[in-house]
Amino acid sequence: QVQLVESGGGVVQPGRSLRLSCAASGFTFSSYGMHWFRQAQGKGLEWVAVVSYDGRNKYYADSVKGRFTISRDNSKSTVSLQMNSLIPEDTAIYYCTKELPGISVAGSWGQGALVTVSS
Amino acid sequence: EIVLTQSPATLSLSPGERATLSCRASQSIKNYLAWYQQKPGQAPRVLIYDASNRATGIPYRFSGSGSGTDFTLTISSLEPEDFAIYYCQQRSDWPLTFGGGTKVEIK
Repeated sequence: QVQLVESGGGVVQPGRSLRLSCAASGFTFSSYGMHWFRQAQGKGLEWVAVVSYDGRNKYYADSVKGRFTISRDNSKSTVSLQMNSLIPEDTAIYYCTKELPGISVAGSWGQGALVTVSS
Repeated sequence: EIVLTQSPATLSLSPGERATLSCRASQSIKNYLAWYQQKPGQAPRVLIYDASNRATGIPYRFSGSGSGTDFTLTISSLEPEDFAIYYCQQRSDWPLTFGGGTKVEIK
């Protein structure tokens, strides 16, 4: 079955960087777009970024554009989110997700990685 | 960006009752709407995609309808495990956006 396991979360000071990784298994990774979503404590869901199945196309939420970079390694079935210039508003649980076939709907979710930006 | 407005914010119902949740888009999104369910401490799971298609393994009591700007998620008869928060999400345009959520609570 599909498994998505995030790692790399933690506490970081404002202005610093953090890199999240997601290890995928149980499906043909190179055939699916992958997304990151996030959710601040007690708040709703927010889409963060997407990378297409082949890594060629990437889109970002305005709130993270220019600071976050999504990437993937199809040889290792991993997707990453490099987060730079972090601000307190980036504090959230970050979820790695696998699309439903061919559409930008999160069909499978990881357990989430908590990122806390605080001095 | 496309704004999704969900109503009501909270729905208080008893098991066995019918739940009707609404999601309205700020512009036409055709049928590019999904519904997710989230329980406390858990990741969301997709229930419905493209307005009316049930995701794999989703019970028949969940149904979706609508197109354009107005969409509805219906739970025909609430089971105890259905009390949760429900979000709609559009995929018509970037950025993907969500509604603010509807909490279905036990009356």
